Amino acid sequence: SAVISQKPSRDICQRGTSLTIQCQVDSQVTMMFWYRQQPGQSLTLIATANQGSEATYESGFVIDKFPISRPNLTFSTLTVSNMSPEDSSIYLCSVADPGQGSGANVLTFGAGSRLTVL
Amino acid sequence: EDKVVQSPLSLVVHEGDTVTLNCSYEVTNFRSLLWYKQEKKAPTFLFMLTSSGIEKKSGRLSSILDKKELFSILNITATQTGDSAVYLCAVERSSNYKLTFGKGTLLTVNP
Repeated sequence: SAVISQKPSRDICQRGTSLTIQCQVDSQVTMMFWYRQQPGQSLTLIATANQGSEATYESGFVIDKFPISRPNLTFSTLTVSNMSPEDSSIYLCSVADPGQGSGANVLTFGAGSRLTVL
Repeated sequence: EDKVVQSPLSLVVHEGDTVTLNCSYEVTNFRSLLWYKQEKKAPTFLFMLTSSGIEKKSGRLSSILDKKELFSILNITATQTGDSAVYLCAVERSSNYKLTFGKGTLLTVNP
C-alpha cells in the first residue's frame, strides 16, 4: 500500500499566522484528499486536491482559508491561513490506494499534522 | 446530508472480553462502508464492506454489513490491550472515494 509522509507532524502557531502542511506519497496517485479532525469530532473532508487544476472544496471550506497545491501526482500542500484557535486540529492527507482492500480503492491516511493555535 | 452514527462512543473492557461496535448510516447512492482503527493519528484500514450478509474476517476482528437495515457491526473477540484505539466507521457514496466518518468508538482494553 501507499506510504504517505506528512510534515510537520505537529506545530504550535500564533493567531493570525499561516502554516503549510506537506504531503508526500511514495507512488503516483490520482486521488488525494485533505481531512480535518477537530478535538472529539469525526474526520471531515476539506477538499480534493486535483493535479494540475484547482482543488474541489466541500461545503463550509473555502480556498482563501485553505489553499491547496497539487503540482504532481505524488505531492500536495494544504495551507491553513490566518489561523484562529478554532483551527486547532489534526489535518490528514489521504490517497485512494489500489494496494489496499483486495484491489479496491481504499483511502490510506498519513500520520497527520497536529496544529495548536494560541 | 450523509450521516454516520457510531455506538457506543466509548467502551471499557477487560482483556479476553468480546466487544461489538455498531455503525448505522444514511447515505445517498451507497457504495461501501469502511472500518478504520485509529491509535495515534493515522487511521489504518481494517475492512471494506459492499455486500450485505458477507462477513469479512481478519484474525480476531470481523465485520458484517446489513444494507437493508443500514448498519454494520465490528466484532473483536479475545480482546488484547493492543486493541485499545478509536474505531472509525465511514461510508462512501457513488465511487468518488469521499468518505463520511462517524465520531468513532473509543475502546479501552484493560489488562
